[in-house]
Amino acid sequence: GAGVSQSPRYKVAKRGQDVALRCDPISGHVSLFWYQQALGQGPEFLTYFQNEAQLDKSGLPSDRFFAERPEGSVSTLKIQRTQQEDSAVYLCASSLVLGYRGASQKNQPQHFGDGTRLSIL
Amino acid sequence: SQQGEEDPQALSIQEGENATMNCSYKTSINNLQWYRQNSGRGLVHLILIRSNEREKHSGRLRVTLDTSKKSSSLLITASRAADTASYFCATPPLGAGGTSYGKLTFGQGTILTVHP
Repeated sequence: GAGVSQSPRYKVAKRGQDVALRCDPISGHVSLFWYQQALGQGPEFLTYFQNEAQLDKSGLPSDRFFAERPEGSVSTLKIQRTQQEDSAVYLCASSLVLGYRGASQKNQPQHFGDGTRLSIL
Repeated sequence: SQQGEEDPQALSIQEGENATMNCSYKTSINNLQWYRQNSGRGLVHLILIRSNEREKHSGRLRVTLDTSKKSSSLLITASRAADTASYFCATPPLGAGGTSYGKLTFGQGTILTVHP
């Protein structure tokens, strides 16, 4: 597709259930990011993939959160034993180029999907 | 944790007026980016300004950057009802050796409402 696609758009789950959120990045994009956005707040970084390698998972709130991107394209964010505080919008973003080193500016804008709104009852 | 703070938190104007939003950040940066988010949608990249630039234009958008004050502003001229959205500044913090893979740290955003 032309943009980043996320599914489902809405997910309601009972506390304690496991959920899986899917992200289809723009074809050919090397970098993939997951962010969590609480109501009325800006997105907060969760984790980053460069192709299939998860290079940074410092933003994952707990070991209940797990992300993968096994073939370097589609990514899945899994939350086990969900809790009410997990309720948020989960945004996926992809980018063509990695970043920059020193003075060499290679940063490219991130392209966001519309997110999955997760509600834990 | 949020890197920056936007000011004001909410802004309400009439169509045709200009809208100015400010952003402050805390750490050294290589660039600063502005994004827009319509209700219920993902973020859309608007403009990127590098740390060695002071001002940048794109259509009706004008962005300034003052690295000495660690602040940026976004000006939208001749606003339209369709500009109603939340606006966020975001920075990829510098890593060791001046490198960064581009993970973004966002401010809390400014909610802009433009009345027809």
